[in-house]
Amino acid sequence: DAGITQSPRHKVTETGTPVTLRCHQTENHRYMYWYRQDPGHGLRLIHYSYGVKDTDKGEVSDGYSVSRSKTEDFLLTLESATSSQTSVYFCATSTGTGGANEKLFFGSGTQLSVL
Amino acid sequence: AQTVTQSQPEMSVQEAETVTLSCTYDTSENNYYLFWYKQPPSRQMILVIRQEAYKQQNATENRFSVNFQKAAKSFSLKISDSQLGDTAMYFCAFMKPLTQGGSEKLVFGKGTKLTVNP
Repeated sequence: DAGITQSPRHKVTETGTPVTLRCHQTENHRYMYWYRQDPGHGLRLIHYSYGVKDTDKGEVSDGYSVSRSKTEDFLLTLESATSSQTSVYFCATSTGTGGANEKLFFGSGTQLSVL
Repeated sequence: AQTVTQSQPEMSVQEAETVTLSCTYDTSENNYYLFWYKQPPSRQMILVIRQEAYKQQNATENRFSVNFQKAAKSFSLKISDSQLGDTAMYFCAFMKPLTQGGSEKLVFGKGTKLTVNP
């Protein structure tokens, strides 16, 4: 779907270690998002970006940081992973034009387990 | 802040029958978009249907249709002639259109797990 690649697809890590998830898009979309999905919570926005080096916090940003040095790449870093950050992480993009066909395109998700 | 509520955590339906999933939302905006996304066991997020709030006509996509009640802030999804492949989590979502200097974000409900039984 829409040329969005998330890596890795699965990761197991230990509490206290830093973790970086990568999202790469080939659509030249302006907006990029990181969501986490947890049972009973749906998808919640962690951080988003509205351009290169332009990022902002979502509703569950504590413990996460992001960077966007190129249009195509959006990195999510867990500075010191905790068990509460065990989740499925989705990257999404949108054109940001606000036009009639505006919608989000999603990657396939990253399953992260923090032990 | 916008909120989206899906009051049915789980639902089931017999194959070939019709089922309706509920969604309500809270916003002070007049113009916005509403979506239903499907997430099968593969985990992929698939857009099912989309509605612009300024359009009175309910959106339809093959067997999927919505009942959009703007005044009531309700956006239900009807699936006709249910198929086994419709088994999935369904998420209702709200998006505020892009404004100058602003940004757009998709706000999701917690989801409804739909099972289609043979």
